[in-house]
Amino acid sequence: EIVLTQSPGTLSLSPGERATLSCRASQGVTSSYLAWYQQRPGQAPRLLIYGASSRATGIPDRFSGSGSGTDFTLTISRLEPEDFAVYYCQQYGNSPLTFGGGTTVEIQ
Amino acid sequence: EVQLVESGGGLVQPGGSLRLSCAASGFTFSTSPMTWVRQATGKGLERVATISGNGGNTYYGDFVKGRFTISRDNSKNTLFLQMDSLRAEDTAIYYCAKCGGGSTCFFDCWGQGTLVTVSS
Repeated sequence: EIVLTQSPGTLSLSPGERATLSCRASQGVTSSYLAWYQQRPGQAPRLLIYGASSRATGIPDRFSGSGSGTDFTLTISRLEPEDFAVYYCQQYGNSPLTFGGGTTVEIQ
Repeated sequence: EVQLVESGGGLVQPGGSLRLSCAASGFTFSTSPMTWVRQATGKGLERVATISGNGGNTYYGDFVKGRFTISRDNSKNTLFLQMDSLRAEDTAIYYCAKCGGGSTCFFDCWGQGTLVTVSS
């Protein structure tokens, strides 16, 4: 099973700042099958990125994904108030699919 | 509009059973693999079970250990999760989610979730 480790656990930033979230896999993720989700308090997760770098429908272009192999990054170029939330990565290239433990982006 | 609506959650005693349902609309349900994902309060996401579009293939997380059964009724666009021998550690919000990506499974649509509480 691939273990995904997300860092940092919590990121404290101000609106307008840039956020960089990391997801590291215990072994290479097949075909960069890596997705990112946003979960706001009291809501279901929402798909942001799939295939490591493809934005899902309706996702603003301030969200971008990059990486391959074992190291992946989600970048939010300029934080909006609604972006303060928990972010999860998920790999779906190797069975069983697995999720990371999450990174909380909080208002500083 | 793609929509998933779960129901069937509630309070159940340890050792009891519950059947969750997920009504789907806005997409071709019969060709879409579907998954149940759960989340304990304050915790991360955990895939419970996945079923192929035609229902012929299923996958379960190790922690299920024969206690849960995922199924679907494509004539009614509905996904199910039969949960037996429930334990306190099964307490969580259960989400149904649609798999995007064809044969791969990232989740491009989620329901609002249904809360399952296992307690005496």
